[in-house]
Amino acid sequence: QVQLVQSGSELKKPGASVKVSCRASGYSLTSYGMNWVRQAPGQGLEWMGWIATNTGNPAYADAFRGRFVFSLDIAGNAADLEISSLQAEDTAVYYCARKNLFSDAFDIWGQGTMITVSS
Amino acid sequence: EIVLTQSPGTLSLSPGERATLSCRASHTVNNNRFAWCQQKPGQAPRLLIYGTSNRATGIPDRFRASGSGTDFTLTITRLEPEDFAVYYCQQYEIAPVTFGQGTRLELK
Repeated sequence: QVQLVQSGSELKKPGASVKVSCRASGYSLTSYGMNWVRQAPGQGLEWMGWIATNTGNPAYADAFRGRFVFSLDIAGNAADLEISSLQAEDTAVYYCARKNLFSDAFDIWGQGTMITVSS
Repeated sequence: EIVLTQSPGTLSLSPGERATLSCRASHTVNNNRFAWCQQKPGQAPRLLIYGTSNRATGIPDRFRASGSGTDFTLTITRLEPEDFAVYYCQQYEIAPVTFGQGTRLELK
């Protein structure tokens, strides 16, 4: 079964870092690009950027340049999102979403990872 | 950036009725790189429609979509109880990928 399995919820203090993992199951990670999407509490969907999993080349939306880093764990068949210098405004659910090979649509979504930043 | 504006914000209907959701783009979306997704409370979004009018795998044919240029529509021909959710339109032609603010389809 093709699915994306994300790591569990995290509670972090301001200034800390966090890594969210998105493991691909049922297919090879490097065959499809991976998007990252953020959803703040009670809000809509915001695209963070994507990573070309065949090259490891990331592309970030303007609001996510600097503290946000997309990377790959090829051996683990996973894509990772690391956020540094966490702020309260980073509290959100973070989703990975596969980029379909033919249509570029976001065809498979992870279940989401809730990151809470609070002192 | 292409801004997507969805209407209405909330739609109150009953099972069996027809739902029509709209999405207007601030600039033309070319190449049919337009999608709709559904999100239920506490769940991840799910792709419903891609390429403007193509149903994703497993999506029932009561979900119909159309549009071109700047105006796009999602129609649910006969609402089932499981269809009450939030629906987002999305364009993925031009970076940044953008989503509409969502239409909440609620039980009347």
